[in-house]
Amino acid sequence: QVQLVQSGAEVKKPGASVKVSCQTSGYTFTSYGISWVRQAPGQGLEWMGLVSGYNGNTNYAQKFEGRLTMTRDTSTSTAYMELGSLRSDDTAVYYCARDRGGIGVYWGQGTLVTVSS
Amino acid sequence: DIQMTQSPSTLSASVGDRVTITCRASQSIGRWLAWYQQKAGTVPKLLIYKSSTLESGVPSRFSGSGSGTEFTLTISSLQPDDFATYYCQQYNDYWTFGQGTKVEVK
Repeated sequence: QVQLVQSGAEVKKPGASVKVSCQTSGYTFTSYGISWVRQAPGQGLEWMGLVSGYNGNTNYAQKFEGRLTMTRDTSTSTAYMELGSLRSDDTAVYYCARDRGGIGVYWGQGTLVTVSS
Repeated sequence: DIQMTQSPSTLSASVGDRVTITCRASQSIGRWLAWYQQKAGTVPKLLIYKSSTLESGVPSRFSGSGSGTEFTLTISSLQPDDFATYYCQQYNDYWTFGQGTKVEVK
């Protein structure tokens, strides 16, 4: 069965960077992209960007350009999301989702990132 | 960027009610629209894609319609398990989510 398992919760100081992993299994990793979505406490879902499992090409939401990097490692079927210059309003649960023709059927369990001094 | 606007933000309803949620896109997205259900502390669950196609395993009381810029999600007879927050998502141009509609107990 398809599974996406994310790394554990992180606490970071303002200005630092965080890197979240999303290890996948149960399907051919290079056949699908991975989207990253975040959800601030009590707020809605916000799409951050997409990394292709096939060639590693990325597309980022404009608001994250310059401080967001998405990568993938085909040898371990793992996708990564790194967000830099963290601010308090980056505190959120970060999800990875397997992109199936533009929709997210399979999601990771979420990773809480807390930014606090 | 395409903006998605849902209404209402909160909806109070009773078990058995017919419930309708509207989602509007800032530009035409064809039928590239999905609906998700999210309960507190859980991962979003896909309900409908391509405006009206029910994801496997989703009860038939859920239905979707619309094209272009206006879309609706309808729950024909609200069940206790349906109290949750619902999000629309366009995927004509990457992804954008609506702000969510919370369906609460009246």
